[in-house]
Amino acid sequence: GAGVSQSPSNKVTEKGKDVELRCDPISGHTALYWYRQSLGQGLEFLIYFQGNSAPDKSGLPSDRFSAERTGGSVSTLTIQRTQQEDSAVYLCASSHGSGSYNEQFFGPGTRLTVL
Amino acid sequence: QQPVQSPQAVILREGEDAVINCSSSKALYSVHWYRQKHGEAPVFLMILLKGGEQKGHEKISASFNEKKQQSSLYLTASQLSYSGTYFCGTGDYGGSQGNLIFGKGTKLSVKP
Repeated sequence: GAGVSQSPSNKVTEKGKDVELRCDPISGHTALYWYRQSLGQGLEFLIYFQGNSAPDKSGLPSDRFSAERTGGSVSTLTIQRTQQEDSAVYLCASSHGSGSYNEQFFGPGTRLTVL
Repeated sequence: QQPVQSPQAVILREGEDAVINCSSSKALYSVHWYRQKHGEAPVFLMILLKGGEQKGHEKISASFNEKKQQSSLYLTASQLSYSGTYFCGTGDYGGSQGNLIFGKGTKLSVKP
């Protein structure tokens, strides 16, 4: 079946502009995660959606970052007034049930470059 | 709190063994292991749960010492395909249910 997909695969933007990154999880997966991976670094947790529960936003680095998940499926990560330090690969993952107890399936990522 | 992985990097010859460690300062209920090849998405290897349950690939071996809050991944008779960066992700009781915190990774290079 289809895996997790993300779009765009690459995004180059100018400092101060807003960007939207999209994630299509595996159909039927209730949990969805966003991570950020800077060059040579690990996976930095950003936000977690589980079913209809309120999302866990504890990893968002600033109020310029927000995310929503519509209809329990597609998710959009929005970064407002982008800064150069936002440059990274943004990874989305989904899992069937809690991602603490189940395999997380990762998408290919969106590489964001802020000039 | 981010788990600590060791070593940061390791170079092996084909057929050699390696152990990658992951330790946390918090009580854990789960440890995940993923491998990421350059330019690709992380791929699931194994989950170890409090109480001894494990889920994962049969050829991968790992341990979870709940008391010491540590996990180790054992790579035996390494193959060229084992090359990549290995990440552990931990679920702790202080964090949100479902949330994982990943370590910085261990880069493994297997040479012919």
